[in-house]
Amino acid sequence: AQTVTQSQPEMSVQEAETVTLSCTYDTSESDYYLFWYKQPPSRQMILVIRQEAYKQQNATENRFSVNFQKAAKSFSLKISDSQLGDAAMYFCAYRTSTQDYQLIWGAGTKLIIKP
Amino acid sequence: NAGVMQNPRHLVRRRGQEARLRCSPMKGHSHVYWYRQLPEEGLKFMVYLQKENIIDESGMPKERFSAEFPKEGPSILRIQQVVRGDSAAYFCASSPTPTNEKLFFGSGTQLSVL
Repeated sequence: AQTVTQSQPEMSVQEAETVTLSCTYDTSESDYYLFWYKQPPSRQMILVIRQEAYKQQNATENRFSVNFQKAAKSFSLKISDSQLGDAAMYFCAYRTSTQDYQLIWGAGTKLIIKP
Repeated sequence: NAGVMQNPRHLVRRRGQEARLRCSPMKGHSHVYWYRQLPEEGLKFMVYLQKENIIDESGMPKERFSAEFPKEGPSILRIQQVVRGDSAAYFCASSPTPTNEKLFFGSGTQLSVL
């Protein structure tokens, strides 16, 4: 069965510094997608970044980048120049290429930004 | 263009009552997905609907839970005879096509069962 594990229930970082959130997953599939979602206090899930497993190049979106290690089944999120607005729950999610709505989610990491 | 709208934002029910959760997808989106989030957990898929059709309800409990997405109006997730274990945040997401990799989420309905 596919699983997604976020081993850090909570992380804190000083404003303007860099933080890395960890995510590992388990799958026997070769073709799949990985996501990081942000859930601020408003509760709405917001897509931060997406990675296709067949792409070796790590995805990047402005201050957000991932370190995708397919062999190790690791998908960490790096946030550079942390801002107060980055404070939120961050969820790692996985889906296969064939079931595009059945996202499998990690338990989340609460990110605290210290001013 | 309004996002995915869910209401109510908070819903309190006593055990045995019915809960009706509404989701209006983004304009132009005909695919709706419902997820449940328990405290300190990620989302769990419940059901995927297109207009007037249930495509996949494999994540939904067989009893007391039902969902619909009529031709007109919002999608409804209905929970009959609620129990305390139903207390959770229920999220709706929509997409314009079934293969769209970007789901747009609503802000959820927090259901509390007393």
